This record gives sequence, C-alpha cells and structure tokens, in this order.
Amino acid sequence: GESVGLHLPTLSVQEGDNSIINCAYSNSASDYFIWYKQESGKGPQFIIDIRSNMDKRQGQRVTVLLNKTVKHLSLQIAATQPGDSAVYFCAENDSSTGGTSYGKLTFGQGTILTVHP
Amino acid sequence: DAGVTQSPTHLIKTRGQQVTLRCSPKSGHDTVSWYQQALGQGPQFIFQYYEEEERQRGNFPDRFSGHQFPNYSSELNVNALLLGDSALYLCASSLAGVETQYFGPGTRLLVL
Repeated sequence: GESVGLHLPTLSVQEGDNSIINCAYSNSASDYFIWYKQESGKGPQFIIDIRSNMDKRQGQRVTVLLNKTVKHLSLQIAATQPGDSAVYFCAENDSSTGGTSYGKLTFGQGTILTVHP
Repeated sequence: DAGVTQSPTHLIKTRGQQVTLRCSPKSGHDTVSWYQQALGQGPQFIFQYYEEEERQRGNFPDRFSGHQFPNYSSELNVNALLLGDSALYLCASSLAGVETQYFGPGTRLLVL
C-alpha cells in the first residue's frame, strides 16, 4: 500500500542550530500531513500539521513545508535545544478510503534528532 | 484539561493468552484510534471507533478487536497472543471531522 518514508534516519546538531527533518510521501491523494515528536517511553506529541492546499505553515520555532510536486514534506526547527532531542515522525491522512473525517494516519519510519549542548 | 489516558502502562502476558487495553480520550473528543508501534518503527493503524462502531480498520487479523463505550472511552482486545504482538499500543483521540489526533502515553505489552 501507500507509505510515508523519511530520507535521513538520524540527525545530529549543535544547540542553537536550525534543524531540518525531511519526509517523502507516495500517496498523491493525501490531503493532510502532521508531524509528531516522540520522546523515549512516551506517546507521540503533536507538533504541527498542514493541509495540501497550503505549502507552508509556521508555529512556535517550527515550520512545515509541503512540496506537492515532488511529494516532499519537511520540518524546520529553529534554534534547536537539547529538549528537542527525540524521534520525529511525519504522517499522512489517508482520506481516500472514506473522507477526511476518518483520520487513518500512515506513519513513516521516523528520524532520530540528537541535539548536543 | 485531561489528555488521552491509557491503562495499564505495562503488561506481561504469555503466548495464547488474551489481553484488554483501555483508553480514555481527551476531553471533548468522540473518536478513538488504536495503533501498534513495534520497536524502532512508526505506529501502524489498527482501527478507529466512532459512535461505538468500528469505522475503519488497518491490516490486522481478527484477533484484534475493540469496543467503544457511550462515554467515548475504548478498549482494545487481542486474543491468542503471539510473540510478535509485543509492542507499544497507542490510543489516539480526535473530534469527528477533524484530522488531528492526540496520542496517549501507550501501553507496553510484552508477550513471552
């Protein structure tokens, strides 16, 4: 079936640097994308989301970019802090099987972000 | 405002046994989805419940079943446990018509 994948399984940055985490998706019918942060032993925590009718959305220290032409999604974290160290997942909403209200999320493999003080 | 809660936090079972995991959604949410997350993998969708009915299902066998109660809480049942069922089981809640799902802390299941 369709899947969402990540280019880089690990990313190491210095505190204060900007981080960019990339994600490729293959289902061109996906119309909703979401980024989660998962710390060890915890459930995924919502970071930011974006719909397919947008190409950029900003939150606090985070920006998500969507390029539908090449089916690529990225998460930018400004001034990365040690507390940002975690596994980051992108996910897509599989709306093709029943409408956006059903909300089945398809996750990628995840990227491990390590921030060095 | 209480977030998504799950119980128990950890569970150890043996092959062939049955297990029931519980989830209470975030206040105001009416939809519950269940995911299985194997070590080092992303979560995989099991099924979703809305209005006490299973609305959508992922590629999981019938050994995985669920239920949603009138107060929107939900249970995940797994029968005839296999070693491969060892994983973190995540519950996510949302509001019907809104895609954003909020996850609970998960239940870590170990099958011996």
